[in-house]
Amino acid sequence: DIVMTQSPLSLPVTPGEPASIYCRSSQSLLHSNGDNYLDWYVQKPGQSPQLLIYLGSNRASGVPDRISGSGSGTDFTLRISRVAADDVGVYYCMHALQTPFTFGQGTKLEIK
Amino acid sequence: EVQLVESGGGLVQAGRSLRLSCEASGFTFHDHAMHWVRQDPGRGLEWVAAINWNSGFKAYVDSVKGRFTISRDNAKNSLYLQMNSLRPEDTALYYCVKDMGTSGWYAFDMWGQGTRVTVSS
Repeated sequence: DIVMTQSPLSLPVTPGEPASIYCRSSQSLLHSNGDNYLDWYVQKPGQSPQLLIYLGSNRASGVPDRISGSGSGTDFTLRISRVAADDVGVYYCMHALQTPFTFGQGTKLEIK
Repeated sequence: EVQLVESGGGLVQAGRSLRLSCEASGFTFHDHAMHWVRQDPGRGLEWVAAINWNSGFKAYVDSVKGRFTISRDNAKNSLYLQMNSLRPEDTALYYCVKDMGTSGWYAFDMWGQGTRVTVSS
């Protein structure tokens, strides 16, 4: 199975400041079709997870452009250019290259 | 409005069975692959099972193979998870999840609110 490793696990951020979350996979997520099968999700307090970024760098519907995804192969980054109070939650990366799909441990973003 | 509503969870003894259901609305159900994902506070998010649009392909995490069966009824816009020989480690909140894909899968763009399963030993 592919192992997904996130860092940091806890991320305190001042509002208006940028934030980055890293995700590393134990094998390349680059498919022969050119897409990286890596998604990002956020679970806000009391809510179900919701999709932020799919196939490495594509924003899901309704996601603001201050949130972006990048990376290829085994190393990926989720960036929030200016953190807002509404961004509080646990962020997960997940690979969708093959079954079983696996998630990272989660990164808890909190406001300082 | 896209909606996924799970039901069927509950408290059950180890070794018994439960059947989870998920009713979908607000999108063309038969155009999408579907999944079950569970969440245990101690173990985070765990993908459990997937089914493609026409039930032609199903997949499971190793820990549930031979015990759980995923199925769907496109005429009823419904997804199911038959869970047999339940174990205490199956205790979790179970989410019904919609995939953006049809025959294959690549992103989970809609999640239900979840139904809780508790297995006592």
